[in-house]
Amino acid sequence: AQSVTQPDIHITVSEGASLELRCNYSYGATPYLFWYVQSPGQGLQLLLKYFSGDTLVQGIKGFEAEFKRSQSSFNLRKPSVHWSDAAEYFCAVVSSGGYNKLIFGAGTRLAVHP
Amino acid sequence: EPEVTQTPSHQVTQMGQEVILRCVPISNHLYFYWYRQILGQKVEFLVSFYNNEISEKSEIFDDQFSVERPDGSNFTLKIRSTKLEDSAMYFCASRGTGGYGNEQFFGPGTRLTVL
Repeated sequence: AQSVTQPDIHITVSEGASLELRCNYSYGATPYLFWYVQSPGQGLQLLLKYFSGDTLVQGIKGFEAEFKRSQSSFNLRKPSVHWSDAAEYFCAVVSSGGYNKLIFGAGTRLAVHP
Repeated sequence: EPEVTQTPSHQVTQMGQEVILRCVPISNHLYFYWYRQILGQKVEFLVSFYNNEISEKSEIFDDQFSVERPDGSNFTLKIRSTKLEDSAMYFCASRGTGGYGNEQFFGPGTRLTVL
């Protein structure tokens, strides 16, 4: 069965520091992968997605993610974090078959110190 | 920019009562979903809906749950007899046409508290 693992429940970084949030997936074929962000009181907003092609994908708000098939990973990165990036980040994979339901990881809560 | 809306933002109910959570998906979308997130846990798929019928449902989505698109714009989730363990944030999402990679747009969620 497909699954997504986000090993870090909570990460704290200083403003201006670089960020990497980890995501590992379990999937038989080429996965369709997503990163969503959830700010307090808000819904889930798509940051970026990967289907095929270039393994480094660019998203909104200066985020990027790199797909590494050999490591079954899709880590999210940002070179310089802003205080407004404090939120919860979810990695997700589209389930094979069916009608495109998303399987989410447990999420990583990011805190940003000034 | 079009967005998915959900009402109410917070619903408090007594155990055993019926609740209806409402969603207005993006107008030209064809696929609709409900997910839930119990506090401190991951977001879980409940049900998908396409062409006026349920296309897929999870084990969570038992006989106490139902979905409906009553008027071509609203998409509702009904819980017939709420249990304490139904307390969660419920998210509605919608998607346009296209393949697996097409983005699902999420609403802000309804926080359901069952007392």
